[in-house]
Amino acid sequence: DAMVIQNPRYQVTQFGKPVTLSCSQTLNHNVMYWYQQKSSQAPKLLFHYYDKDFNNEADTPDNFQSRRPNTSFCFLDIRSPGLGDAAMYLCATSRRVGGYTFGSGTRLTVV
Amino acid sequence: AQKVTQAQTEISVVEKEDVTLDCVYETRDTTYYLFWYKQPPSGELVFLIRRNSFDEQNEISGRYSWNFQKSTSSFNFTITASQVVDSAVYFCALTQTGANNLFFGTGTRLTVIP
Repeated sequence: DAMVIQNPRYQVTQFGKPVTLSCSQTLNHNVMYWYQQKSSQAPKLLFHYYDKDFNNEADTPDNFQSRRPNTSFCFLDIRSPGLGDAAMYLCATSRRVGGYTFGSGTRLTVV
Repeated sequence: AQKVTQAQTEISVVEKEDVTLDCVYETRDTTYYLFWYKQPPSGELVFLIRRNSFDEQNEISGRYSWNFQKSTSSFNFTITASQVVDSAVYFCALTQTGANNLFFGTGTRLTVIP
């Protein structure tokens, strides 16, 4: 089945140690998104790629970076994770407005 | 600017009761899409429905139904004969034509008590 896959499902990282979360898709969608969802809050968009064009939200901290080496893969890099970065990170894709597919998420714990 | 308001933070119902989750939205666009997602404790977002702004027909899918009213900018979600498996956080969301962001409400946590 075509889908959006996030690995790992759970990630534990040390305070200040760089961590990378990955997302892959078999849908061939041209837009990929990263959302951050903290406990008991709504998902919040960090950035998205429209094909190779990177679009950063104005309030996304510099500590968060992203790479999209090809259509199928997108990575979220957290350069120096702090305790406040512990959250669920959700990857999503869309081909056009109105058709979003979400992955299962990666739950990040910072110790 | 766009905004989604889910005024109900938490709702508890007894199994087999009907429950309605409210969603009110704000947007300046005439063309937009509205969504409902379910988020169980495992964390994934499960798509329930998408509705575009030109389609005000109400929809029923099994025990789920949606009431879209542009006059009141509302897109409410009703679960009939609730079940314990319906316990989750439900998010209403909005996106505008030409935009690439899905704006979520703050969610409503539904607990169905056996």
